[in-house]
Amino acid sequence: DSGVTQTPKHLITATGQRVTLRCSPRSGDLSVYWYQQSLDQGLQFLIQYYNGEERAKGNILERFSAQQFPDLHSELNLSSLELGDSALYFCASSVEGQGGDEQFFGPGTRLTVL
Amino acid sequence: DAKTTQPNSMESNEEEPVHLPCNHSTISGTDYIHWYRQLPSQGPEYVIHGLTSNVNNRMASLAIAEDRKSSTLILHRATLRDAAVYYCILISGGGADGLTFGKGTHLIIQP
Repeated sequence: DSGVTQTPKHLITATGQRVTLRCSPRSGDLSVYWYQQSLDQGLQFLIQYYNGEERAKGNILERFSAQQFPDLHSELNLSSLELGDSALYFCASSVEGQGGDEQFFGPGTRLTVL
Repeated sequence: DAKTTQPNSMESNEEEPVHLPCNHSTISGTDYIHWYRQLPSQGPEYVIHGLTSNVNNRMASLAIAEDRKSSTLILHRATLRDAAVYYCILISGGGADGLTFGKGTHLIIQP
């Protein structure tokens, strides 16, 4: 158990809909990362937050947005969903979000768009 | 981040040491070398990381070449639970970025 929790575990929805994925980092970790893992693209970094502020952006679509709240939990919002958005979404956390920090990954949310 | 090159797959026997190589010839002076692994149906798991010196922890050892252009992850005594995809990743010291996962090495452990 990494100490990172993600809800829900599974989500099934239809194209055009909007969903919110939630992540609680390990106690004491200030930085949160979101990753997407699909069969054709592999694991891709989406976005990073540090202490409530966006720090880095990866391959995140404009239809996707995220935020980190004062209690440090984070939410990833996916809107106007397409079939290709079906994937595993992982959240990770680290202490300071620096290059020397290890990242601890949650168990993921499996999103299926029908 | 600089790129890494790993073999697509490797096979080893249970209870034997495993040496997983990684080439990173364009590494910069501030890049950390991280190793993560992903077991089937699970999220990635941190294994080890280093900057210049060799590192040991309860899971593995990391041997870094003197010129830092390559590194080797060493599992001292592989078990069936070590069967996973292993990723070698470089990340700059500033760290204001996520991990860039390549295809990794699929490690197969034979009983």
